Amino acid sequence: ETGVTQTPRHLVMGMTNKKSLKCEQHLGHNAMYWYKQSAKKPLELMFVYNFKEQTENNSVPSRFSPECPNSSHLFLHLHTLQPEDSALYLCASSQDGRVGLKEQFFGPGTRLTVL
Amino acid sequence: SQQGEEDPQALSIQEGENATMNCSYKTSINNLQWYRQNSGRGLVHLILIRSNEREKHSGRLRVTLDTSKKSSSLLITASRAADTASYFCATNLPNAGGTSYGKLTFGQGTILTVHP
Repeated sequence: ETGVTQTPRHLVMGMTNKKSLKCEQHLGHNAMYWYKQSAKKPLELMFVYNFKEQTENNSVPSRFSPECPNSSHLFLHLHTLQPEDSALYLCASSQDGRVGLKEQFFGPGTRLTVL
Repeated sequence: SQQGEEDPQALSIQEGENATMNCSYKTSINNLQWYRQNSGRGLVHLILIRSNEREKHSGRLRVTLDTSKKSSSLLITASRAADTASYFCATNLPNAGGTSYGKLTFGQGTILTVHP
């Protein structure tokens, strides 16, 4: 295991639902990331947090709302999603991203299906 | 077009053979990383090579970097059925200040199938 856990592993939701994805890292890292992986597309970076502060929002629609209460936990709150938002959502962490990039450690992902 | 593009898109080989995957990119980088992903799972980091390095080894993996050609290759020697996965290169770009903020840009990957 990589030391990064994600729950739930699978999620099916309707377009009017509100749900949250959770990520937890046990590696003592200070940077955390959300990625979206859709079929036939490269991995897309969504958000980056360094020391609990958001340092990157890659033009993500507001129906995705991240939250980072501390360096170990990262949430992605979902509301009024569209079917095209169905994808594998991956969380990752790394040592402090501001002083030079180390490798990123990924969780197993949440497979999201929007009906 | 993509910052990192892998070639080939798919590769099918027999166990014991070597597998070579290539990655090309367009702009200067801090470093380049290779990751592996088993079907529907998270990515696993394989090797990080910095822009001032030309070659790195890790077990059966060998990565080369040619910054003049803006390309990298990943060689897996003596492949095994367990190596079947998607392989991605990811580039880390310097920001305007020359430091790195941990942003990686991934390619679309090479799907490797190793037949027993």
